[in-house]
Amino acid sequence: DVKVTQSSRYLVKRTGEKVFLECVQDMDHENMFWYRQDPGLGLRLIYFSYDVKMKEKGDIPEGYSVSREKKERFSLILESASTNQTSMYLCASSLPTDMNTEAFFGQGTRLTVV
Amino acid sequence: GESVGLHLPTLSVQEGDNSIINCAYSNSASDYFIWYKQESGKGPQFIIDIRSNMDKRQGQRVTVLLNKTVKHLSLQIAATQPGDSAVYFCAETYSGGYNKLIFGAGTRLAVHP
Repeated sequence: DVKVTQSSRYLVKRTGEKVFLECVQDMDHENMFWYRQDPGLGLRLIYFSYDVKMKEKGDIPEGYSVSREKKERFSLILESASTNQTSMYLCASSLPTDMNTEAFFGQGTRLTVV
Repeated sequence: GESVGLHLPTLSVQEGDNSIINCAYSNSASDYFIWYKQESGKGPQFIIDIRSNMDKRQGQRVTVLLNKTVKHLSLQIAATQPGDSAVYFCAETYSGGYNKLIFGAGTRLAVHP
């Protein structure tokens, strides 16, 4: 079974904290993505990575950064958490760009910033 | 910017009926489309996909139709069951786009006995 695993299902953090969300995939996929999901807005792309140490901004990168030191792991970092970053965060992985295929998603991390 | 949207935010159907969920996309360069199902507390799960060189694709109880002329995508679920209750998302991407998926807002399907 293919798997994308996010380290936490639920997180509660305080405003101003630095927050790390971790994601691991076991499919040897080159592409990895971080989305946030908010009611009525669907899934919006924060950052993606197409190779180790490579990253590209998505549609809403402000307030976030990412790290990909190993192929299987993609971390999302909230430099200084704010209440408007309360959301569901979804990690995904997929095969390379020349083979358009579906992305596989993790179960999500519901982050609350208080 | 380019976006994918859905016509109906909520769809209620009777068990056993057929369901049709619609989606409009705006990026004419998109050439690959996916439908995802998301159940409560879970991440989105792949249902079916279609490439732009096709008009129709069938799976088990599901059919996706693509109309490139009007940039419209639909998901048909035959003999809808209670287990089909979920939020459904359409997503699009294009060749050379790193498989970045652009998602719509989602449609909630509620199946009533």
